[in-house]
Formats: sequence, structure tokens, C-alpha cells
Amino acid sequence: AQSVSQHNHHVILSEAASLELGCNYSYGGTVNLFWYVQYPGQHLQLLLKYFSGDPLVKGIKGFEAEFIKSKFSFNLRKPSVQWSDTAEYFCAVIQGGSSNTGKLIFGQGTTLQVKP
Amino acid sequence: DAGITQSPRHKVTETGTPVTLRCHQTENHRYMYWYRQDPGHGLRLIHYSYGVKDTDKGEVSDGYSVSRSKTEDFLLTLESATSSQTSVYFCATRAGLAGGRITGELFFGEGSRLTVL
Repeated sequence: AQSVSQHNHHVILSEAASLELGCNYSYGGTVNLFWYVQYPGQHLQLLLKYFSGDPLVKGIKGFEAEFIKSKFSFNLRKPSVQWSDTAEYFCAVIQGGSSNTGKLIFGQGTTLQVKP
Repeated sequence: DAGITQSPRHKVTETGTPVTLRCHQTENHRYMYWYRQDPGHGLRLIHYSYGVKDTDKGEVSDGYSVSRSKTEDFLLTLESATSSQTSVYFCATRAGLAGGRITGELFFGEGSRLTVL
């Protein structure tokens, strides 16, 4: 069965530190990959997405993610975090291509706390 | 944002009672989803729909049923609520294909907070 794992459950950083959040998925076929962010008291919003092409994807607010097919990974990065990046981050996977079933699965989330 | 409305937004009920949550969308999106969000578990898929009257189970479907009789409405029913179903429930929609490519972006409702005593 398709699954998504986020290994960092709670990350605490100081402002200007670099960020990398891990995401691994289990599905072996074509996938579409996403990172969503949930700020306190709000619903999820899309940070970035990968469908095909360049495996390095740039998103909003200076975030980027790299798709490494051989490692089934889609890690999220940001060179320098800000206090306003404090939020919960979710990786998500959907089967892509002609076998797209529509089932979109989330990882368990990573809480990022940025200290000013 | 897509027009997604969840009702009720807050509900307190007792164990054993039936509960129905409604998700209404105005975007004509093909796919609709029900997730529950719990601390430490992220968002877990309960059921989803890939068209009118077409639904499938997600990761945590036990104790839940859904129905989609028209494009704009997706109902989640707890036949007999239990305390373990206390959670925040999010509805989401997704357009599906656009220009021949799969669109993955989900649009979320505001959430429904359910407390089962």
C-alpha cells in the first residue's frame, strides 16, 4: 500500500539556520509529490509540487524540494529560515500517470519551530 | 481559494449517536476527500470520491461511510460515534486533469471540529 513517511516529527531551529525536512514514500510507480504547510490556526496550503521534469522544484517563500527517484525521497529545504516559517509541514503523494487513482496520502507531518 | 464549505464547523455529540458532516463545493472539482487531523498523525485519509457515486476507502475508513449523490456535495457519516472519532475533519477537493496533466493541488475547507463524549 502507498505510504508516506516524514522522519522528523519536531524540529527546532534558530532564525537564519538552514532547513531540511525528510520525506520518503513507498509507491514504486509514477508519482506526483507535494509539500503543504499549515500555519497555526489555518488550513493547509500548497508550498510546492513535482509532476515531472527537473527534479529540483522551487516553491513559494524560498522553499525548494528535490525528488530523488532512486531513494523514493522528496526532501524539503530552505537555506535560511525565518520566525514566520514556524508551522507544520506535510509531504503528500498521489499516484501519477494513467494509473492515477486519485488517492492522495499525507505524511504524519513535521512541526517546525523557529526561534527568533 | 475554491469555494468549499463544511458544516457543521463545531459539534459535540455523545457516544453511539449518528453524525453527518457535509462538504459543499462550488468549483465543479471531480475529486473530493475527507481527512481527519490528529496530533502526531498528520492528515489521514478516511474516504475519497473520484466522481458522482464513485467512492473508495482511505487509510482509516472503519466506522465511517460516505456518499456523493451530486458533484458539489460529499457527506461523511459516523453511524455510531465513538470517542476515538473525536478529531478535526477536513474536506478537500481537487480538480483532476487540466490540459491533459494531473493536477494535484488540494483545496481545503475550514475544518469541522467534532467532540464525542
